Amino acid sequence: DVQLLESGGGRVKPGESLRLSCAASGFAFSSYNMNWVRQTPGKGLEWVSSISSGGNYVFYRDSVRGRFTISRDDAKMSLYLQMDNVRAEDAAMYFCASDKAGSVRTFDSWGLGTVVTVSS
Amino acid sequence: QSALTQPASVSGSLGQSITISCTGSASDVRGYNYVSWYQKHPGKAPKLIIYDVRKRPSGVSDRFSGSKSGYTASLTISGLQAEDEADYYCCSYTSVGLFYVLFGGGTKVTVL
Repeated sequence: DVQLLESGGGRVKPGESLRLSCAASGFAFSSYNMNWVRQTPGKGLEWVSSISSGGNYVFYRDSVRGRFTISRDDAKMSLYLQMDNVRAEDAAMYFCASDKAGSVRTFDSWGLGTVVTVSS
Repeated sequence: QSALTQPASVSGSLGQSITISCTGSASDVRGYNYVSWYQKHPGKAPKLIIYDVRKRPSGVSDRFSGSKSGYTASLTISGLQAEDEADYYCCSYTSVGLFYVLFGGGTKVTVL
């Protein structure tokens, strides 16, 4: 079975950094594009960042570009999100999700998420 | 870029059918057949229930169906059951700028 397990969330102050991780198992991780999606308190889902299989292409939403860095380690079957200069509006539950084979920009399997709290 | 537009809430009685709309633009919903729908229960991971407008992943009930007409995609839940009470989000490929996808604002489905 496909499993995605996020970790690394916590409480940070504005301007600080945090690194989220997502450990994958049960599928050919290296062959899939991977994604981070967040859900802010009381609000909806919001796409954050994506990385292609092989890691050659990365994408970010405007509000995090230049502050967040997505990366992957296929040998460790892990996805990462380095969050620098965190802002109050980055507070959310962060989910990692794998792409669906055969489709385009469809998020197939999801983890349970890790919570990021931003407070001074 | 604005999110796709969904009604904030939809309700229906047990056994009824309901439809959730998702309105976008020529750069997303109307232009591409890459609309997906996700079910989200509190405290649980989002679940893919429809992709490529109308395809169902393996294991998803056939009570869920998707369609699209022009700028609006729709999710229909037939034979409404108590466990269908959840938030539902549409999502679409977009060709605008460096955006990857757009999500809708979500629709809370209440089973009466």
